[in-house]
Amino acid sequence: VQLVQSGGEVKKPGASVKVSCKASGYTFTNYGISWVRQAPGQGLEWMGWISVYNGNIKYAQKFQGRITVTTDTSTNTAYMELRSLRFDDTAVYYCARDFGYHETPYYFDEWGQGTLVTVSS
Amino acid sequence: DIQMTQSPSFLSASVGDRVTITCQASQDVNIYLNWYQQKPGKAPKLLIYDASKLETGVPSRVRGSGSGTDFTFTISSLQPEDIGTYYCQQYDNLPITFGQGTRLEIK
Repeated sequence: VQLVQSGGEVKKPGASVKVSCKASGYTFTNYGISWVRQAPGQGLEWMGWISVYNGNIKYAQKFQGRITVTTDTSTNTAYMELRSLRFDDTAVYYCARDFGYHETPYYFDEWGQGTLVTVSS
Repeated sequence: DIQMTQSPSFLSASVGDRVTITCQASQDVNIYLNWYQQKPGKAPKLLIYDASKLETGVPSRVRGSGSGTDFTFTISSLQPEDIGTYYCQQYDNLPITFGQGTRLEIK
């Protein structure tokens, strides 16, 4: 099982970023994908979840309106787009395989390597 | 949001020691509680799910227990590879929330 994320990004405040997460080694539609971020020196923060199985999506209220998570089952790739970036969005963004595949996120048993998004003017 | 409070925030112990981390939820989360280890510069790794179930490949010296609001993570005999930061995570209610982390070092 592997989740390989896209490379680091530097963005200006107000811009958008789209991070990809390509999955391999398992049946993509049998799991969900959660997105978790970690600001420098800080803890883990869950952002949202998508069921690859049925397309259900849940977002943390904090990011509602700024985040979109999608999947492309033809390429086994998940995407997370975050808009209207602020300085405090600077963080490592992780995708994680979520055992919750149907109704709600559950636990994260495989993780991508992380993508550093830096918001700087 | 459910607040998860871990204790202690920092722990220094010797190889072979028994180590315990606690995680308290601000409201009942049943057994919907997972534990992760994160090493510097790396992604977190799942250790325990559903409060007490050991993830495949995790050594048996690791144990999780608890339900409701109070949970415990224990390493029965600390090994050098156990260093890192440990996080609890609840999934009873959205948003999913994590504890602030417990950094574990070897004396």
